[in-house]
This record gives sequence, C-alpha cells and structure tokens, in this order.
Amino acid sequence: NAGVTQTPKFRVLKTGQSMTLLCAQDMNHEYMYWYRQDPGMGLRLIHYSVGEGTTAKGEVPDGYNVSRLKKQNFLLGLESAAPSQTSVYFCASSYLPDRDYGYTFGSGTRLTVV
Amino acid sequence: GEDVEQSLFLSVREGDSSVINCTYTDSSSTYLYWYKQEPGAGLQLLTYIFSNMDMKQDQRLTVLLNKKDKHLSLRIADTQTGDSAIYFCAERSDKLIFGTGTRLQVFP
Repeated sequence: NAGVTQTPKFRVLKTGQSMTLLCAQDMNHEYMYWYRQDPGMGLRLIHYSVGEGTTAKGEVPDGYNVSRLKKQNFLLGLESAAPSQTSVYFCASSYLPDRDYGYTFGSGTRLTVV
Repeated sequence: GEDVEQSLFLSVREGDSSVINCTYTDSSSTYLYWYKQEPGAGLQLLTYIFSNMDMKQDQRLTVLLNKKDKHLSLRIADTQTGDSAIYFCAERSDKLIFGTGTRLQVFP
C-alpha cells in the first residue's frame, strides 16, 4: 500500500499565484487533515475533513480552501499565494477518533512563495 | 484551549538515555502520542499511550504519563545516532494537537 501520497513535493510560487496541493490515501480512512509546519511552531492544523463531502476549519484556515469530493482525496487550495504561506505542508489521514492508530502522514510538500 | 508544550532542543551522548518531556492542557485527551520526524520526511508514529495508563514500554522506548500533572515523557534507552530527529508529542480528543517538537541531537 502507498499510504498517504502528496503531490507535488516541491513548488515555488510567485505572490498572487494560485495552486492546489493533492493528498491521496488508500487506507479507506474517514478523516483527513492538512497541516503546515513552520520552524519553532510545530504542526498547525489548517483544515480537516471527517468524511467524503465534509470539510472543517482548523487552527489557521485563512488563505486556504479545501475540498473532499472523493473519500480518498483531500485537496488544499491557495487562491492567491502570499510569502507568509511559505511552509512545509503535510497531509494526514486516520480512522475515527476512538481508534488508537494515530495518524498516517504524507512526506510533505515544501512550498516557497516569492 | 488546547495547548501542548515541549522544550525545543536536547543534546545527548551516544549510549546515554534521552528523556523528552511534554505538557498538555486538555484533560479529555483519550490518547497521547509520540511521533518522530527525520530530516526531509513526514511524521512517523513511534508509540502511543491510552489516557488510563501511566506507563508503556516498547523495546528502547518508555512512555510515562502523569495525568494529574498533565505531563508526558518519552525515554529512549541507549540512544543512537539514528535517533537524531525531531520528536513531537500530541494529544487527541477529537483531533490531534501537536507540540512544537523537540530536536534531539546525538553526538559520539
């Protein structure tokens, strides 16, 4: 099994450009998450989804949109990129919260906005 | 609100034990986790502990949970250079909340 796959792995954007990050999981997980990782700040939750067709805001949702049209895919969109969105983005998925398996993470997307 | 705190750095000599500490605020957390992140990689689940336990041992790893003080620790016995990484603790009620991560450096 591939687990959680993120594409692309690296991207450089100019301020104001848009892009979509794709996350795909093949474990039939209900929950999916997008985090950003910045030095000294750990991982902060951007948006998450508790099932196909659902999305919810996390800790730092501003400037991002998400969609979960299919259970296995969770898309993160930046409509107008800003330098403050330079970060490493991680997608994760999990079973329902009452299970003890934790989250499975993708390998990350390193985004630079210039 | 929910908050998870860790010290940012820890440096140990190869062969010594490492102890990474974490404090959390959400008393309703059901599971607490330790994740490891190696350079350029995603997070890998190391171990977890259910909130009604106070200790869990898994080979070189020992997790201690003091629920009264909301304190979690990870002890790595016989630390090796391959253990150099960032270690995140996380608490989970309805979603995972991560600490800032502790960078463990192991020197010979």
